[in-house]
Amino acid sequence: TQLLEQSPQFLSIQEGENLTVYCNSSSVFSSLQWYRQEPGEGPVLLVTVVTGGEVKKLKRLTFQFGDARKDSSLHITAAQPGDTGLYLCAGEETSGSRLTFGEGTQLTVNP
Amino acid sequence: DTGVSQDPRHKITKRGQNVTFRCDPISEHNRLYWYRQTLGQGPEFLTYFQNEAQLEKSRLLSDRFSAERPKGSFSTLEIQRTEQGDSAMYLCASSPWDRLGEQYFGPGTRLTVT
Repeated sequence: TQLLEQSPQFLSIQEGENLTVYCNSSSVFSSLQWYRQEPGEGPVLLVTVVTGGEVKKLKRLTFQFGDARKDSSLHITAAQPGDTGLYLCAGEETSGSRLTFGEGTQLTVNP
Repeated sequence: DTGVSQDPRHKITKRGQNVTFRCDPISEHNRLYWYRQTLGQGPEFLTYFQNEAQLEKSRLLSDRFSAERPKGSFSTLEIQRTEQGDSAMYLCASSPWDRLGEQYFGPGTRLTVT
């Protein structure tokens, strides 16, 4: 089973600050997904990256897939309290199969 | 467009009882997945279906667990003789045939075994 390590595990910042969350593995994934989850709810898909070196932007969120397709990062610019939540990365081992999740990064943005 | 739905949202049961959960995927999605999530952890894969065929089961899916998707639409997950260690959030997801990695999750069923 491929493992995904996320860092940091917890992050508490002030509104307006920038932050980066990392997702690393020693194995190659065919695709990687980022999700955001709120307490008591299911994860909500933010983005899927497929190509090594790919960069995708979603408003203030920037996602990058490593060249070797083993790691990824999520960068948030000018964080807002509404960004608070659990951010999960998940790798697809082979196309159409299970997702392997990291343990998540709990982000708190204080007003 | 309705998303993935799960029923019930919450279930409290006594140890030793059987429980069944239902998942209705997004209608045009032919892949359906079940995951389990405990507090402070990411979701862990249990099993998945392509149409009505169950293609993979995790070692986490003990003999007390069974999943079905009889007509290739909704799915059920049954846990027999529940144990306190079964307490968790059970999540269902579905994905479209042409973007299999994009799994869309339902709101989950929170199971508490007392």
